[in-house]
Amino acid sequence: GAVVSQHPSWVICKSGTSVKIECRSLDFQATTMFWYRQFPKQSLMLMATSNEGSKATYEQGVEKDKFLINHASLTLSTLTVTSAHPEDSSFYICSARDQQGAPEAFFGQGTRLTVV
Amino acid sequence: GEDVEQSLFLSVREGDSSVINCTYTDSSSTYLYWYKQEPGAGLQLLTYIFSNMDMKQDQRLTVLLNKKDKHLSLRIADTQTGDSAIYFCAETHGGNTPLVFGKGTRLSVIA
Repeated sequence: GAVVSQHPSWVICKSGTSVKIECRSLDFQATTMFWYRQFPKQSLMLMATSNEGSKATYEQGVEKDKFLINHASLTLSTLTVTSAHPEDSSFYICSARDQQGAPEAFFGQGTRLTVV
Repeated sequence: GEDVEQSLFLSVREGDSSVINCTYTDSSSTYLYWYKQEPGAGLQLLTYIFSNMDMKQDQRLTVLLNKKDKHLSLRIADTQTGDSAIYFCAETHGGNTPLVFGKGTRLSVIA
């Protein structure tokens, strides 16, 4: 199946710094990618929909100035957690579907962010 | 809004069949999915079913869909210890719409 690569797998940063997470579709093009957040032992919460060449669409309650999303090409979307705080510590996962409309939705490996 | 519900835990003996159930509320769901998540890892797509299908089988996995009752199930035959994980049910309208997930069912396989 198609591969979505997410980097880094884990990161530890100090409070107040920014962290960038990359999500790449390796063998297909994705007009749209999705960013999710997962709290321990909980489900995936959709944060935003990342659209290639345009602004991301954020879910209610997600701060767009804190979670900056850029989707500069059909194979790369980035999520930057700005001025990170301990409460931003979480597991972040991206997802992408082939722009040809195939139903399969593929997920990256996830990024474990710990803010100290 | 859309809602997907799953039971949180299931424990089975190795070699038995596991059945994980899911209900959803969105009658316009187009595709329904089952994903597997192992500790600290991302989500692995196991299988999906189109909403106009009743059943889909793929090796040890059987998906049953009752669209009238908005009920989806995943049966794992001959469950192995390596099947221990969290299983998520999800639905979408298709196209470029995001998936809506249930809370996940933690499957424990006892040797």
